[in-house]
Amino acid sequence: EVQLQQSGAELVKPGASVKLSCKTSGYTFSNYYMSWLKQMPGQNIEWIGNIYGGNGGTGYNQKFKGKATLTVDKSSSTAYMDLSSLTSEDSAVYFCAREYYDGTYYYDYVMDAWGQGASVTVSS
Amino acid sequence: DVQMTQSPSYLAASPGESVSISCKASKSISNYLAWYQQKPGEAYKLLIYSGSTLQSGTPSRFSGSGSGTDFTLTIRSLEPEDFGLYYCQQYYEKPNTFGAGTKLELK
Repeated sequence: EVQLQQSGAELVKPGASVKLSCKTSGYTFSNYYMSWLKQMPGQNIEWIGNIYGGNGGTGYNQKFKGKATLTVDKSSSTAYMDLSSLTSEDSAVYFCAREYYDGTYYYDYVMDAWGQGASVTVSS
Repeated sequence: DVQMTQSPSYLAASPGESVSISCKASKSISNYLAWYQQKPGEAYKLLIYSGSTLQSGTPSRFSGSGSGTDFTLTIRSLEPEDFGLYYCQQYYEKPNTFGAGTKLELK
């Protein structure tokens, strides 16, 4: 069974950074892309970027360049997202989600397995 | 960015009924559209991709149609487990973008 287990809720001060994790199991991590997404209360889901588990290659939504940094640790099949210089606009639930690969074709940005979400609250 | 407009934002229906949710793109996205379901306490679930292809495990009472700018998710003969939130997503153009969601509630 494919599982994406995200780290817990974070309460951080403005200007600080936070690192979220997404530990995976049940599939070959290096064969898939992992996306990260943001959902603020009452707002649309926003795609932040993605990273390839095989070589760590990344792609970002221009809006989140400089805000988010995606990395992977293949040895532990875990994806990470660093968020820097946090403000109240970064308070949201963040999701990791695996992009769909049917064994032959990569369906870019179609997410077939999601983590449960991690809440980040930025407050002094 | 491609804007995705979903309607209605709220829908109340009874088990056994059929419902449809609309999703309109601000420009043509061919059939690069996916539908997701979220239920309280559960992870998002991919239902349909490529506009009309059911993801493995999606019940056949779900169907997707449309291409270009207009898409529809139809659920025939609602089951109690179908109530929740539904989102459309375009992945034709980067960044991929989502609709605002439709809340399907039990009448």
